[in-house]
This record gives sequence, structure tokens and C-alpha cells, in this order.
Amino acid sequence: GENVEQHPSTLSVQEGDSAVIKCTYSDSASNYFPWYKQELGKRPQLIIDIRSNVGEKKDQRIAVTLNKTAKHFSLHITETQPEDSAVYFCAASSGGSNYKLTFGKGTLLTVNP
Amino acid sequence: GAGVSQSPSNKVTEKGKDVELRCDPISGHTALYWYRQSLGQGLEFLIYFQGNSAPDKSGLPSDRFSAERTGGSVSTLTIQRTQQEDSAVYLCASSTEGLAGTTQYFGPGTRLTVL
Repeated sequence: GENVEQHPSTLSVQEGDSAVIKCTYSDSASNYFPWYKQELGKRPQLIIDIRSNVGEKKDQRIAVTLNKTAKHFSLHITETQPEDSAVYFCAASSGGSNYKLTFGKGTLLTVNP
Repeated sequence: GAGVSQSPSNKVTEKGKDVELRCDPISGHTALYWYRQSLGQGLEFLIYFQGNSAPDKSGLPSDRFSAERTGGSVSTLTIQRTQQEDSAVYLCASSTEGLAGTTQYFGPGTRLTVL
């Protein structure tokens, strides 16, 4: 089955700096890669996603890049703000069952003011 | 509109007891998912329902876990003879259809503690 590795597990940055979180996946048939943000005690919420026919997608301060050959994708947050502090999860669809998402273990991002 | 809701928000039970967790998906969403989130871990897929199709139960960790979805809407996850390792947050999600690229909307979760 699909295996998703996420790094780093914790990341601390100063306000205004950029943050990058990386994920690798094992199933070459995976074709959908969402990123979720989960604030403390809250539910996970989708912040951006990318499909396998696209290499990069941007939404304001957030961008995701995908390298299908290397089987890795990354989340980039620019001009970080304290409200960006949360746990971020990457996920990859399982090639055989497209509805099934396999999640990374999460990255705790702390943005220091 | 109303999002995915789950009840109870917290459940404390004794080892060996059965528990039922409830999920109300977004109205009109045909796909429903259950995940388990243990401390410091990602979300672990448990089970998937899509319309009237047979559910995908491949993620259920043991035969003590079962789930049903009545009338294509509300779902109940049942854990029999609970064990301490069952302690986790159980999250439900729904989507308009069960296809890759369809956004899954999560509920607030039920925090289960087994003493």
C-alpha cells in the first residue's frame, strides 16, 4: 500500500520567514496530493491540493510543488504569520482506491512573532 | 451551511466496554470516511462508505471495530470490548463523491479515552 513520509516533524520560524515542509510517497499511481492544516483542538482543514498533471500550484502565500519522477511534493508558506502556527499534514491518494488518502505524520509549525 | 458534526465530543470509558461514535455528514455528501488520529500521529484510514456500494473496511484494525451507515447519511462507528490502545481521536469526513481530488471535509472528532 501507499506510504507517506513527512519532514520535518517540527519547524520553528520567525514571523516573515518562509517555511517548507516535504513529503515523499511510494505509490507511483497516486494522483492527488492535498495538504491539511490542523490548529490545536480543531478539525483538519484543506488549505491546498495538487493533482498529478500539475507541477506547481499557488494560492496567495501558500504553494505546493510536485515531482512525480522523484515521488515527492512540498508545501511552501511565504511571509509566515503567527496564525500560520498549526500542525500541517500532507496526504496522497492510493492509486488503486482513489478515494483513500494516506497521511503523513504531520509537521508542527511554530511562527514566532 | 452546517459542516460535518460528530458526537460525543469526548468519551471516557472503561476497558472492556463497548462504545458508539456518531457522525453526521454534510447534507448531500455521498462519501463518508472514518479516520483515527493517535497522539503525535497522522490520520489513519479506517473505513469508507460511498452511496449504496459495499463499504471499504480495509483499514479497520481488528474485528472489534465495525461501522454502519443508515439511509446513506448518519454513520456510527462501534468499538467492542475497548482496549487502552483504542484511545485516540476518531475523525469523520465526508465529500460530495468518492473520487480522488474531491475535498474531504472533516468533523471536529470524538476524543476516546479508555481507562
